[in-house]
Amino acid sequence: DVKVTQSSRYLVKRTGEKVFLECVQDMDHENMFWYRQDPGLGLRLIYFSYDVKMKEKGDIPEGYSVSREKKERFSLILESASTNQTSMYLCASSLSQGPHETQYFGPGTRLLVL
Amino acid sequence: AQSVTQLDSQVPVFEEAPVELRCNYSSSVSVYLFWYVQYPNQGLQLLLKYLSGSTLVESINGFEAEFNKSQTSFHLRKPSVHISDTAEYFCAVSEMTGGFKTIFGAGTRLFVKA
Repeated sequence: DVKVTQSSRYLVKRTGEKVFLECVQDMDHENMFWYRQDPGLGLRLIYFSYDVKMKEKGDIPEGYSVSREKKERFSLILESASTNQTSMYLCASSLSQGPHETQYFGPGTRLLVL
Repeated sequence: AQSVTQLDSQVPVFEEAPVELRCNYSSSVSVYLFWYVQYPNQGLQLLLKYLSGSTLVESINGFEAEFNKSQTSFHLRKPSVHISDTAEYFCAVSEMTGGFKTIFGAGTRLFVKA
């Protein structure tokens, strides 16, 4: 089975802090994604990576950056956390670049910014 | 641009009753369609997907969905629900020519009562 793990289930940070969210997948998948999930809004794509060191902006990249130095690891960085970034963050991976591919999700990180 | 509308934010139903979760999409090109399920405190996992061929697709736990191109719908049904089906269900769409992007609906929370 594909396993996607996220470094923390819950995080509490202060406004202005730099925040790192880590995601690791163990199935040699090409693609990795970061979403945020908010009630009534579903999942919104923040960033996508289709290869090591490659990234594409999603629908809501403002205030976020990403890093993919190794194929299995995809990090989301909040450069200066703000209260409107309080949310559930979901990482996902898929085998290859194709709109038909299934995405495999981690359990999520619930971030609270005070 | 593609979009997904899940018409019900919450669906309460008694155990062993039938249920339908509605999903409509908008796209100018052909699409792939997905239903994902999120159990409490977990990430999303694929329930079923339509890629091509038969318009009726089934999951291993008794759910089915029918692709209706003329009505641009992909409603999810189950003839008899269990308590364990309590979860949030997300409809998602990817355009066949759209590269990596999958658009998720806002989600429908299914609550099965004893």
